[in-house]
Amino acid sequence: DVKVTQSSRYLVKRTGEKVFLECVQDMDHENMFWYRQDPGLGLRLIYFSYDVKMKEKGDIPEGYSVSREKKERFSLILESASTNQTSMYLCASSLQGTSDTQYFGPGTRLTVL
Amino acid sequence: QQQVKQSPQSLIVQKGGISIINCAYENTAFDYFPWYQQFPGKGPALLIAIRPDVSEKKEGRFTISFNKSAKQFSLHIMDSQPGDSATYFCAAGGGFQKLVFGTGTRLLVSP
Repeated sequence: DVKVTQSSRYLVKRTGEKVFLECVQDMDHENMFWYRQDPGLGLRLIYFSYDVKMKEKGDIPEGYSVSREKKERFSLILESASTNQTSMYLCASSLQGTSDTQYFGPGTRLTVL
Repeated sequence: QQQVKQSPQSLIVQKGGISIINCAYENTAFDYFPWYQQFPGKGPALLIAIRPDVSEKKEGRFTISFNKSAKQFSLHIMDSQPGDSATYFCAAGGGFQKLVFGTGTRLLVSP
């Protein structure tokens, strides 16, 4: 079974802190994604990566950056956390392109105070 | 921004009934339409998907109906069970298009 793990299930940070969310997949997938999930807004794509060291902006990249130094690991970085970044963050991976099944991690619920 | 509009936002169905969730899309370049199911505390998981070369796809109690001319697709859950209570997301993508998700439908199947 494909497994996507996220470093934390719950995280509480203060405004202005630098926050790292880590995601690891164990199936040698090419593509990895970061979404945020908010009630009534569904899943919105923040960034995705189709190869090591490659990244593409999604629909809501402002205030975020990403890093993919190894194929299995994709990190989401909040350079200076703000209260409007309080959300559920979901990582996903897929073998091929956007027509392929995306496998999601359990999510990290981030609260910024 | 490309959108996928999903309705209803929430749905309550009696056990044994039919649950129907609808989605509409705008971008005619989309050629892949998956549905994801999410239980509380879990990430979404692929439930069923369809491509526009067929008008219907059935897997067990779950059926996707697809209307290309209307740019609409829907999920039907037959004989709904309490274990089907979850949030359902439709999505559209394919080709060079990023997957775009609907806003979700919270389904509650009452015993």
